[in-house]
Amino acid sequence: DAGVTQSPTHLIKTRGQQVTLRCSPKSGHDTVSWYQQALGQGPQFIFQYYEEEERQRGNFPDRFSGHQFPNYSSELNVNALLLGDSALYLCASNVIQGTGNTIYFGEGSWLTVV
Amino acid sequence: GQQVMQIPQYQHVQEGEDFTTYCNSSTTLSNIQWYKQRPGGHPVFLIQLVKSGEVKKQKRLTFQFGEAKKNSSLHITATQTTDVGTYFCAREYGNKLVFGAGTILRVKS
Repeated sequence: DAGVTQSPTHLIKTRGQQVTLRCSPKSGHDTVSWYQQALGQGPQFIFQYYEEEERQRGNFPDRFSGHQFPNYSSELNVNALLLGDSALYLCASNVIQGTGNTIYFGEGSWLTVV
Repeated sequence: GQQVMQIPQYQHVQEGEDFTTYCNSSTTLSNIQWYKQRPGGHPVFLIQLVKSGEVKKQKRLTFQFGEAKKNSSLHITATQTTDVGTYFCAREYGNKLVFGAGTILRVKS
């Protein structure tokens, strides 16, 4: 049983460019969340998708957008990249079941903006 | 507000010594989760505490949830080099997890 898979694992982009990161949730999971983890910090919630809709959003600008597909996989898009967007981007999946959900993280996509 | 504070930020111990990290909130928590992140890795779920005063053990790891459900701790007995990493607590807030800043553990062999 594959866990949460993300691609690409590492990428380098130039300031102003756009990037798309991809995530396949753990088998049986219908909810995908994206987190940004800057160096030396804890993960920060970007947004969550459920039933192909954005369910909740964290404190991130509109440059950050996402999508969930019918097969529950998800994409994170970041436009007009800034140097400060350099971080580890984590995808997490779970099954919605009230509180106390066990969340599984993927290995992340390391984004460097130069 | 929704933040959780973790202390210490960093701890360097001799192999075999004990280690404790603390997680504090100004508001009552519905539950608290703990994660471990190895250097260069991703957060891995360790445990979830839900009940007031709850204590759970996983081998050398002991997790506690305060009586007022505003604080939690993770204690590692007799640390080993495999315990190296950053330990995060996280609270559920709506549909998201709010993470503390983490405690970095380094173990000298």
